[in-house]
Amino acid sequence: QKEVEQDPGPLSVPEGAIVSLNCTYSNSAFQYFMWYRQYSRKGPELLMYTYSSGNKEDGRFTAQVDKSSKYISLFIRDSQPSDSATYLCANYLIQGAQKLVFGQGTRLTINP
Amino acid sequence: NAGVTQTPKFQVLKTGQSMTLQCAQDMNHNSMYWYRQDPGMGLRLIYYSASEGTTDKGEVPNGYNVSRLNKREFSLRLESAAPSQTSVYFCASTQTNYGYTFGSGTRLTVV
Repeated sequence: QKEVEQDPGPLSVPEGAIVSLNCTYSNSAFQYFMWYRQYSRKGPELLMYTYSSGNKEDGRFTAQVDKSSKYISLFIRDSQPSDSATYLCANYLIQGAQKLVFGQGTRLTINP
Repeated sequence: NAGVTQTPKFQVLKTGQSMTLQCAQDMNHNSMYWYRQDPGMGLRLIYYSASEGTTDKGEVPNGYNVSRLNKREFSLRLESAAPSQTSVYFCASTQTNYGYTFGSGTRLTVV
């Protein structure tokens, strides 16, 4: 079982829709939870991060973490064609080797 | 501000050839990482360097070696390339627990 599981999609939605992207993780030692966005033929870039359970909002993006169920979500409101990218969830392990563990990534397309 | 610079951007190798992927960062970050990205597999950690002078194996280190030349530079070497090493390779650096800065990647094909 991978430490971080993510539905690879692809996911295609019309412009303006609300998008929900999800990840699950297995290791309770993960302390930081992040979403990275990766445009085609580019490196990933940090979109949002959160440390605790609950919601964190940044413009049209909301990150949600539920540590009790080990479930992470990213919501995109009023989706735009420019949001078309691969979204990777990543968890940071602070015990032992301190490193990011990535999910497989979900490829998202927003259709005009 | 260049961030993380990777060279080369593209490379085709024959099976058994060797090559070194170069990575340099100008943000004075302590930690540097090499990942490979394959379809359906996400980013998998090959090697990392928590600080200058240290290197450690990640999830998929077999067939690779690394050198942390100084604080800025972290290279990845393939001694005898195999088709299974066809992938996109990303270098990253960070000073925090979450703010990794990635390079634009090296697309490697081994034939």
